[in-house]
Amino acid sequence: GENVEQHPSTLSVQEGDSAVIKCTYSDSASNYFPWYKQELGKRPQLIIDIRSNVGEKKDQRIAVTLNKTAKHFSLHITETQPEDSAVYFCAAGLRSGGSYIPTFGRGTSLIVHP
Amino acid sequence: DGGITQSPKYLFRKEGQNVTLSCEQNLNHDAMYWYRQDPGQGLRLIYYSQIVNDFQKGDIAEGYSVSREKKESFPLTVTSAQKNPTAFYLCASTLGGAVGTEAFFGQGTRLTVV
Repeated sequence: GENVEQHPSTLSVQEGDSAVIKCTYSDSASNYFPWYKQELGKRPQLIIDIRSNVGEKKDQRIAVTLNKTAKHFSLHITETQPEDSAVYFCAAGLRSGGSYIPTFGRGTSLIVHP
Repeated sequence: DGGITQSPKYLFRKEGQNVTLSCEQNLNHDAMYWYRQDPGQGLRLIYYSQIVNDFQKGDIAEGYSVSREKKESFPLTVTSAQKNPTAFYLCASTLGGAVGTEAFFGQGTRLTVV
């Protein structure tokens, strides 16, 4: 199975600063690496994803980078705003039998101070 | 609107009782999943199903049971054998298969043992 480690567990930044969250995975066959944002009391929702044949992807203030050799990927948020405050989860996954089963990291609580 | 719906939003269980959490999706997704969310523990996989009438244990299946009689429905039963059932439960669905795709989540059920 897949094992996903996520760091840090808590990240506190000032508004306007950048935030970086890192994840490592164990299964070299994993092919899809999404990031989800969960606001307080709400369901997780996809904010950005990257596939194993791509090294970097950007969408406005957020970006994801993937290093397949080292088996790690990172979420970068620039010019943080108070509404970015939430819990962020990374995921990877490829189980035996060939099916992709989403396996999540433990989450990072991002706090953006105005 | 397409989506995934969980019910109820809040559920209270007495010691020794079994309770069933509902999860329904109209996204025509083949794969469905149940996760348990505890503070600081991330999303832990309880059970998953890649196709109707088939399901597999996840990482923390003890004390839980599921069924997948219809493509749209994947109910989770929390049995009296589950020692610490108080948690937030999330149901999710994906297209399924070997290539990873976005997971869509229900709004969650908060189960409390009283």
